[in-house]
Amino acid sequence: GDSVTQMEGPVTLSEEAFLTINCTYTATGYPSLFWYVQYPGEGLQLLLKATKADDKGSNKGFEATYRKETTSFHLEKGSVQVSDSAVYFCALKYARGNMLTFGGGTRLMVKP
Amino acid sequence: DAGITQSPRHKVTETGTPVTLRCHQTENHRYMYWYRQDPGHGLRLIHYSYGVKDTDKGEVSDGYSVSRSKTEDFLLTLESATSSQTSVYFCAISGGPDYEQYFGPGTRLTVT
Repeated sequence: GDSVTQMEGPVTLSEEAFLTINCTYTATGYPSLFWYVQYPGEGLQLLLKATKADDKGSNKGFEATYRKETTSFHLEKGSVQVSDSAVYFCALKYARGNMLTFGGGTRLMVKP
Repeated sequence: DAGITQSPRHKVTETGTPVTLRCHQTENHRYMYWYRQDPGHGLRLIHYSYGVKDTDKGEVSDGYSVSRSKTEDFLLTLESATSSQTSVYFCAISGGPDYEQYFGPGTRLTVT
């Protein structure tokens, strides 16, 4: 079946450092790919998405490119802030059923 | 923010007791979902609904039942709570042209 694998955390960075959180997927078809963010004590919020190969999703300085050849959707940000400290989830979804398959989540901690 | 509320937000209950969690939406979206979040597992789908009185099982449905008698409400029932059901439960909704999922704030359930 379909699955999503994320790098294990926590990832600890200093403010203004470059961020990469790896995400790879296994899928039988051509899903859309998503990154969600969960701030402490809150629900998940959609951060960005890409619906087809080579698409780049971007939001709030975060970017991710849908790489079909490597089945990857790595999340990047050029300069992280303390306020980016959160748990990040990679996910995939097909149109049918509209159900998300999530990775295990990666906790990011940014220190001043 | 999508209009999704969950109640209660926190609950402690004893093993063997029934528990019902409520999700309420004001967006009139067709799809509603219940997930549980556990360390290392990301979010896993319990049940979902694709319309009033139309529901189906997710990945981890054993020990849970759901009901949807109105578009705006989706109830999750633990018929006889067990310690393994201690978790954070999230409701989500989707609809509109892209069927993106929006999440509620979560319910923290502890079964002692």
